[in-house]
Amino acid sequence: AQTVTQSQPEMSVQEAETVTLSCTYDTSESDYYLFWYKQPPSRQMILVIRQEAYKQQNATENRFSVNFQKAAKSFSLKISDSQLGDAAMYFCAYRSANNAGNMLTFGGGTRLMVKP
Amino acid sequence: EAQVTQNPRYLITVTGKKLTVTCSQNMNHEYMSWYRQDPGLGLRQIYYSMNVEVTDKGDVPEGYKVSRKEKRNFPLILESPSPNQTSLYFCASSPLAGGEETQYFGPGTRLLVL
Repeated sequence: AQTVTQSQPEMSVQEAETVTLSCTYDTSESDYYLFWYKQPPSRQMILVIRQEAYKQQNATENRFSVNFQKAAKSFSLKISDSQLGDAAMYFCAYRSANNAGNMLTFGGGTRLMVKP
Repeated sequence: EAQVTQNPRYLITVTGKKLTVTCSQNMNHEYMSWYRQDPGLGLRQIYYSMNVEVTDKGDVPEGYKVSRKEKRNFPLILESPSPNQTSLYFCASSPLAGGEETQYFGPGTRLLVL
């Protein structure tokens, strides 16, 4: 079974600075997808960024980018120019490309605090 | 507005009293799923549905039931709730199962079972 680990329960960053959230996963599969979701205090789950394992190029979405290291099974999220609105729980998630149930396997989350 | 809705958003109940949490999506998605979120564990899948009348168990299905009689609705049923089902529940949907489809989540339902 796949597992996803987020080793940083909490992180803090100064507004306008850059922060990196870590995620590692364990799988024997070669074809899969990785996601970062943001959960603000409203509890809504918002997709931040996704990465296809077959793509070598790291995904980027505006101020958000990932460092995908397939061999190391690492998928970190970098937030540049941090804003107060970035404060939230961040979840890393994995999904097999062959999973009929489309199940997302989540890490335990990292709480990001942004200091003004 | 394209969205996944859940009702109720908050619910307090007692052990053994049957309850239903509704989920509805207006995006004509085929795939729908239920997750529960507990501290330190992230989200875990309870049940999923690939299409109308097609449902299957996820990682933690014990104590839950679902049905998919219409494409847009996917209710979660707790026949006899217990305190260990106190959790935050999310419904999610996507156009298709598998592939590159992204799942869209509802706003969550916070359940407390006394």
